[in-house]
Amino acid sequence: EAQVTQNPRYLITVTGKKLTVTCSQNMNHEYMSWYRQDPGLGLRQIYYSMNVEVTDKGDVPEGYKVSRKEKRNFPLILESPSPNQTSLYFCASSLSAVVWNSPLHFGNGTRLTVT
Amino acid sequence: TQLLEQSPQFLSIQEGENLTVYCNSSSVFSSLQWYRQEPGEGPVLLVTVVTGGEVKKLKRLTFQFGDARKDSSLHITAAQPGDTGLYLCAGVFNDYKLSFGAGTTVTVRA
Repeated sequence: EAQVTQNPRYLITVTGKKLTVTCSQNMNHEYMSWYRQDPGLGLRQIYYSMNVEVTDKGDVPEGYKVSRKEKRNFPLILESPSPNQTSLYFCASSLSAVVWNSPLHFGNGTRLTVT
Repeated sequence: TQLLEQSPQFLSIQEGENLTVYCNSSSVFSSLQWYRQEPGEGPVLLVTVVTGGEVKKLKRLTFQFGDARKDSSLHITAAQPGDTGLYLCAGVFNDYKLSFGAGTTVTVRA
């Protein structure tokens, strides 16, 4: 089954403790992206990647890192999480970066709480 | 500041009624997408509208893109409980950049 898989689904951590949220897709998609979803603010893009070893900042990249060493994986790293990073995170992928004709496929989300 | 404004924020209706959700912006988009998100899941693309004035129908859902490509609407006819969810519009500009609205939570009561 074609899908985007995120892990973990739920994560509670403390301020400053490094964490990684994994994202993997099995559709051979070139484009991958991370979003955070907060009430009243919708989905905001954190980072995106147009292909292996090509990553770029989205609208809210502060406090986050990503890497794209393989086509299928796009982990999101929080080196020193803070409470304002408590949010619902989504990974998404698409065949190409031309999003209007290449639908985004989303994972089921990771709910992160930083205390 | 939200680039795309959706209204209303919440909508609760009885099964069988019609509803319309609006998506407005001061920016011109090359195209606009509508997604539906159910609790515990990621958004799922419903439709992409590309041409100003375009109308697309998906069963009981009708999507319209404004003539000036700055606004869009989603109309659901004879809503059913299965239509319950968060509806998100997303404007596409420069082919690569997608900007999401905050969403409209629709609840259809049986």
